[in-house]
Amino acid sequence: SAVISQKPSRDICQRGTSLTIQCQVDSQVTMMFWYRQQPGQSLTLIATANQGSEATYESGFVIDKFPISRPNLTFSTLTVSNMSPEDSSIYLCSVDEQAKNTEAFFGQGTRLTVV
Amino acid sequence: LAKTTQPISMDSYEGQEVNITCSHNNIATNDYITWYQQFPSQGPRFIIQGYKTKVTNEVASLFIPADRKSSTLSLPRVSLSDTAVYYCLVASGGSYIPTFGRGTSLIVHP
Repeated sequence: SAVISQKPSRDICQRGTSLTIQCQVDSQVTMMFWYRQQPGQSLTLIATANQGSEATYESGFVIDKFPISRPNLTFSTLTVSNMSPEDSSIYLCSVDEQAKNTEAFFGQGTRLTVV
Repeated sequence: LAKTTQPISMDSYEGQEVNITCSHNNIATNDYITWYQQFPSQGPRFIIQGYKTKVTNEVASLFIPADRKSSTLSLPRVSLSDTAVYYCLVASGGSYIPTFGRGTSLIVHP
């Protein structure tokens, strides 16, 4: 199973600033996903990131607000730009090991608080 | 992707068997059924996956009837540490994008 490391694990940020979250996987994976989970809620998919192509964003999420990089098969970053208190949430990275046939693995998440 | 419906919450006691049922009436022929467990402040963790009939591993059993329009996650003899949110997902392999519904919050009481 893939081991995923997310950094930072938590942060408190000032409104109007940006935070970049890193996701490192211990194996090469084709698809990486970024989710947001607000307190007491389920996970909402932000975007799918494939290596070598632009990320595909879900409805309600745009690249200017959540730019994503995927420079290689083991690494991705999600930036939360121009933050407001409404962006306070847990952000999770996930990967799909195709060989596992639909089993996804998740990082521990980044707990972001915007003040 | 097939939409799933689960109870929002369930309560149980230590040592009891817990069954959580998920409805997925629009499941497609090539869809798999996957269950995840999430503890507070952690990412979801894969529990079990199945396509039809019954699947069992060291953690749980998954029962899927012949029409595959529902599935039941069975947790034998739960303990306090099984208190978590359980998510049922349905999607096909190959281009699998995990899409989460509301999940079932299970609380195990002493």
